[in-house]
Parts: sequence; structure tokens; C-alpha cells
Amino acid sequence: EAQVTQNPRYLITVTGKKLTVTCSQNMNHEYMSWYRQDPGLGLRQIYYSMNVEVTDKGDVPEGYKVSRKEKRNFPLILESPSPNQTSLYFCASRGTSGGLNLETQYFGPGTRLLVL
Amino acid sequence: AQSVTQPDIHITVSEGASLELRCNYSYGATPYLFWYVQSPGQGLQLLLKYFSGDTLVQGIKGFEAEFKRSQSSFNLRKPSVHWSDAAEYFCAVGAGMYSGGGADGLTFGKGTHLIIQP
Repeated sequence: EAQVTQNPRYLITVTGKKLTVTCSQNMNHEYMSWYRQDPGLGLRQIYYSMNVEVTDKGDVPEGYKVSRKEKRNFPLILESPSPNQTSLYFCASRGTSGGLNLETQYFGPGTRLLVL
Repeated sequence: AQSVTQPDIHITVSEGASLELRCNYSYGATPYLFWYVQSPGQGLQLLLKYFSGDTLVQGIKGFEAEFKRSQSSFNLRKPSVHWSDAAEYFCAVGAGMYSGGGADGLTFGKGTHLIIQP
């Protein structure tokens, strides 16, 4: 089954304690992306990656890092989380070659993060 | 810069009634348009998409959307809603495969929360 998985699904942490949210896709997609969803703001892109070792900032990258060492994985790293990073996070992937599904993004189930 | 406006934050519809969710976009070129649904506690599921061709697009779960270039709109419709349609609906606009520097070009509206009355 084609899917995007994220772990953990729920996380409570304290300010300043580094954390990583993992994301993995099994569709051999080149493109992966992280979004955060906040009430009244919709989804905003944090970082994206066009392919292995190629990453770039989205609309709200401050306080986040990413890496893309393998095609299937795209972890989101919060080096020093702060309460304003309390949010619902989604990982997404899509293909980048041929076909009408070119622009269809497949989303993971989400990770709900609370930073105290 | 591209943008998406969903004018209705909340919409309440009786079960069995028809539904229309509004979406207006701003984009400099031919847009790629999407509707996603997010059920409570769930991720986003693609309902339908428009790239080109027929401006009336059929999606899953009985939804359809019509692209109207003159009105910069891509409204989502369903003739008869079911209680299971209660969810958050997001309209999104995207560029071509690569949009260059910055975000990837997929911009979301802020969502419309659909409530179904018995």
C-alpha cells in the first residue's frame, strides 16, 4: 500500500529539548515536504526537498531543520523547541516525473506536538 | 505570489442537502487546483484535482468541482451530503512541477469546516 508514515503521532516535550519527527514514504517519490497546520492559518510549508541531499526553505522554516540522506526518509528536526512550535505537522511526498499524478501530494497522518 | 481564499470558515448543512464550498485563487499562470479533505484526527486526503481539460472535475465520495477561469474560482460541490462528510476542507493551488526558489508552489487556503446537521 502506498503511504507516507510519520512517527511519533503525538509528542509532548519541554522547551529546548531536541526532538526529531520521522517521515518515510514507500512510493519512490523524489519530492518530500513538511507542513505545519495551525487553527485559522491552514497549512504552511516548512521545508521541502526535491531529491536526496537537496533541501530548501518553505514559508516558515525558522526553528526547524531537515535532512534528506535517503530518498524515502525526510526527518524534521527541532533543535530547541519553543511553545510557538506547538502545532500539527504533516509530511507529504509526490512524484516528479510524468503522468497526471505529477502534482498530487500524498500526506502522512500527522504528528501533534505540544511544547511546554 | 499565489494565494487561495476560502471565504467560509464554517458551513452548516442538513444531511441530504446540497453543498457548495467556495474557493478563489490568485495565480499568474494556469493553476493546478486541488481539494483535500481532513477528517477529525486524520491526515489530508485528495478529493479531486484540476490540471487542464474539462473544467468540471469529478472526484471521490461523490464530490465535483468546477474551474472557472473568469472568476478565478474552483468551488467544490456535492448534491447530497452525508453525515460522514463532516470534516475540514482545503482548497490548494500549485504551480508546475518546479516553481523555483522558495516554497514548492502548493499553497493552501485556511480551510472550511463543514458541519452536518441531522
